[in-house]
Amino acid sequence: DTAVSQTPKYLVTQMGNDKSIKCEQNLGHDTMYWYKQDSKKFLKIMFSYNNKELIINETVPNRFSPKSPDKAHLNLHINSLELGDSAVYFCASSVRGPNSPLHFGNGTRLTVT
Amino acid sequence: GDSVTQMEGPVTLSEEAFLTINCTYTATGYPSLFWYVQYPGEGLQLLLKATKADDKGSNKGFEATYRKETTSFHLEKGSVQVSDSAVYFCALNGDRNQFYFGTGTSLTVIP
Repeated sequence: DTAVSQTPKYLVTQMGNDKSIKCEQNLGHDTMYWYKQDSKKFLKIMFSYNNKELIINETVPNRFSPKSPDKAHLNLHINSLELGDSAVYFCASSVRGPNSPLHFGNGTRLTVT
Repeated sequence: GDSVTQMEGPVTLSEEAFLTINCTYTATGYPSLFWYVQYPGEGLQLLLKATKADDKGSNKGFEATYRKETTSFHLEKGSVQVSDSAVYFCALNGDRNQFYFGTGTSLTVIP
C-alpha cells in the first residue's frame, strides 16, 4: 500500500551514461514533483507536473528530462551523467492547492563515478 | 519572493530535554506552513501543518503555532526521545502553490 514509490532505490553508474528513475503514486493526486537533495540535506525543486502538464521547471540542465505519461506517474531521465549529479532524488505528489501537503517517496540515491 | 529561514544545526539534546527549532518565513499572501521529518535513509514525512494564523499543528508530541505577527512557525516538543533523532524541515506552500523548504535542522538525542 505504498503511497509514492520510486525505483530504483540505489543507482550507481559511470560518467557519461544515461539513466532513468521512475515514480508512481496511488494517492489520486493531480500534481507530482522531482526534488534533488544534496549532501547537506538541502532540497531543491526541479520539476512539477499538474495533470501531465509541466508547471514548474526550475533552472536544471537540459540533460534532465521529466516525462509524465499519466497523472500517477512521473519519470526522470538523465543524459550524460556528471559527477555533480550525485545526490538523492525524491519524487513527491500532492493535490494542487495551498493547504495540501507533499507526500514523498523514499528517494533514489544516485552515485556517479 | 517566498522563503523559509530555519535554525541551523546540528542540535544535540539529552533524552527528555525540551526541543525548540526556530522557523521564520517570508511570503506574499497567506501561506500554509508545514514541518517535515526525515529519518536516516528515508523520504520526508509530514509531521504537522497549520493553514492559517493562530492555528496550532500537533503530532507525536510535537507542536507548532502559526504566528502571523512574527512570521514564525517554531517547532517544539516537551520531552524528546532517542527515536526523535532525525532531520527536521520547515516549509511553506504559498500563493503560487509552490513549496519552499528551509535548509533542515539535524537533531540528535542521546540517552
